[in-house]
Order: sequence, then structure tokens, then C-alpha cells
Amino acid sequence: QVQLVQSGAEVKKPGSSVKVSCKASGGTFRSYTINWVRQAPGQGLEWMGGIIPMYGAAKSAEKYRGRVTINADESTSTAYMELSSLRSEDTAVYYCARDREPGGTLWPFDIWGQGTMVTVSS
Amino acid sequence: DIVMTQSPDSLAVSLGERATINCKSSQSVLYSSNNHNYLAWYQLKPGQPPKLLIYWASTRESGVPDRFSGSGSGTDFTLTISSLQAEDVAVYYCQQYYTTPPTFGQGTKLEIK
Repeated sequence: QVQLVQSGAEVKKPGSSVKVSCKASGGTFRSYTINWVRQAPGQGLEWMGGIIPMYGAAKSAEKYRGRVTINADESTSTAYMELSSLRSEDTAVYYCARDREPGGTLWPFDIWGQGTMVTVSS
Repeated sequence: DIVMTQSPDSLAVSLGERATINCKSSQSVLYSSNNHNYLAWYQLKPGQPPKLLIYWASTRESGVPDRFSGSGSGTDFTLTISSLQAEDVAVYYCQQYYTTPPTFGQGTKLEIK
């Protein structure tokens, strides 16, 4: 059974960057889209972007373009999401989540990481 | 982007009673070539990641109890819990995956009356 394990909680200063990792174990990694979804306190779920590791090219939501970098390392089955120019509104739980089926056609997300709390505070 | 709107925002139902949550998309998420509605439902409990309950609007994910069911087509969808259990207290989200970016509803908080 595939598991996604994320890196630990982070506290960052405004204007800095954060990089969150998501390591897959127990199954195929390279052909499934790994998505990044965040939930700010009291808010809903918001898709930030995704990547299919075997292709390497990432997509991101327009809101985050220019601030988010999503990549993946097939050799370690790990995906990364880096968010720059952090502001207090970026305080949120960040999740990685895998598409239910491989290949890049749109699918819901069936396997989720445990979430990484990122706090942005001066 | 497709806007997903859920109703109600919160809901209190007695144990054993039916709970119904609605979701409306700003445009159709029915793909005519395969007759699939690209609509999913998730359950989110505090301290846990979201759990996929339903996809293709009405297909239950493996391991999801059969008291959970989804219905609807085009732009209007419903998640029904036929007999509410204590462990069903959560926030429920609909999501369209018809087009990028995938978008979620604002969530419906389900509580016990």
C-alpha cells in the first residue's frame, strides 16, 4: 500500500521560503501525479499545483505562479513544494496527494500525506 | 476556474438519521464522451488528511461504508449519509476534477444534533 510521508512542521519569517517534501513508499511513484493542496486556518482546501515525476513538468495554480516551485526526485521517490516570499496568509497545513490513477488524466486524490503545518510569523 | 458551491455550510443531524449535502458547480463537469461526472467527495476530520469517499459522482471508494452515497449529474450533486454514525462528524468537501485547476467547495460541517 502506497504511503506519502511529509516533512515536519516549519516556522518561517515573512519574506522567506519554505520547502516541504513528500516521500512515497510501497508503490509506484513516477507515473502518478503528485498534487499539493493547502488548508489555511478556518478555510477550505485549495489546489496549488502538481507534477508527474516521470515527465518532470509541473503545473501550478495561477494564484501561486512565480512563487511556487514543484519538482520531484525519482531516485528517492520524493516530491517537493517550495513556496517563496512567504506572508502571514501562507500559514496553513500543506498536503501532498496522489492521483487515484496514473498517467496524468484528471483524477481525484486517493492517497494523502499526513500534512505539514507551516507557520509564517515575525 | 470552475466554482464549487456547497450547501448548507453546516448541518446538525441526529444519530441514525439521514444527512444530505449539496454541491453545485458553475459549469457542467459531465464529460460527454465517457458519460462520467468528474466530481468527488472527501471527508476531513481534525488532525487527519482528507479521505476520498466518492468519485465519478457516485462510485464509492474501496472501504467506504455503504451508508455513504453520491448522486447527481452535470452541475448539481448530492452526498447522502443514510444513517448518521458518531464517527461521521467531519467537514465534507466536493471537488471537481474535470479541468485544471481542480477546485473544491467551501466545505460543509456535519455535527450531531
